[in-house]
Amino acid sequence: DTEVTQTPKHLVMGMTNKKSLKCEQHMGHRAMYWYKQKAKKPPELMFVYSYEKLSINESVPSRFSPECPNSSLLNLHLHALQPEDSALYLCASSQGWGPETQYFGPGTRLLVL
Amino acid sequence: GENVEQHPSTLSVQEGDSAVIKCTYSDSASNYFPWYKQELGKRPQLIIDIRSNVGEKKDQRIAVTLNKTAKHFSLHITETQPEDSAVYFCAASPLTTDSWGKLQFGAGTQVVVTP
Repeated sequence: DTEVTQTPKHLVMGMTNKKSLKCEQHMGHRAMYWYKQKAKKPPELMFVYSYEKLSINESVPSRFSPECPNSSLLNLHLHALQPEDSALYLCASSQGWGPETQYFGPGTRLLVL
Repeated sequence: GENVEQHPSTLSVQEGDSAVIKCTYSDSASNYFPWYKQELGKRPQLIIDIRSNVGEKKDQRIAVTLNKTAKHFSLHITETQPEDSAVYFCAASPLTTDSWGKLQFGAGTQVVVTP
């Protein structure tokens, strides 16, 4: 399996809802990433997990909470989001943490009402 | 931290012509430079990458060149086809402690190939 998968593909949530995004890879990669991408902009790094430990948090608001249950799975828990959080959320993975090729999942398109 | 500038922001080419996108980076410690293609509504896909110990790399119609002295790298697409229409992002991966593992992306280039 050479792909990163993400669920759900689309998500609509209210500002008081709690939801989770899921990412999975079976390439044996030890680094996993969450990015946020707004329309016509490059991906913006949010979090990096290396060997299941949080290595980078790019000063992301606490309404976004990452979790790495095991080396293949990455979750992003969402709570009390704002409309400006509407975006495409991309997961990526790489063999290790460093100057390595990152492989992106298809993303979850999130709309916050 | 690393800063990557990408030009042009939009590029229109006739089918069969060549396209060139240029990126400059600020951190001389960066040593890995990938290029991603993102079609509308799809994920960014790696199309080619280069490391700082190599000056040029080719893969069929796509090539990347790197000038470490000038701190710039370029993507070259020859014999463009309509399916090359997409947004292309360059990126640089610095080696500094506080930037380890990060990809600093350029702003992107919208390429439109007209038949």
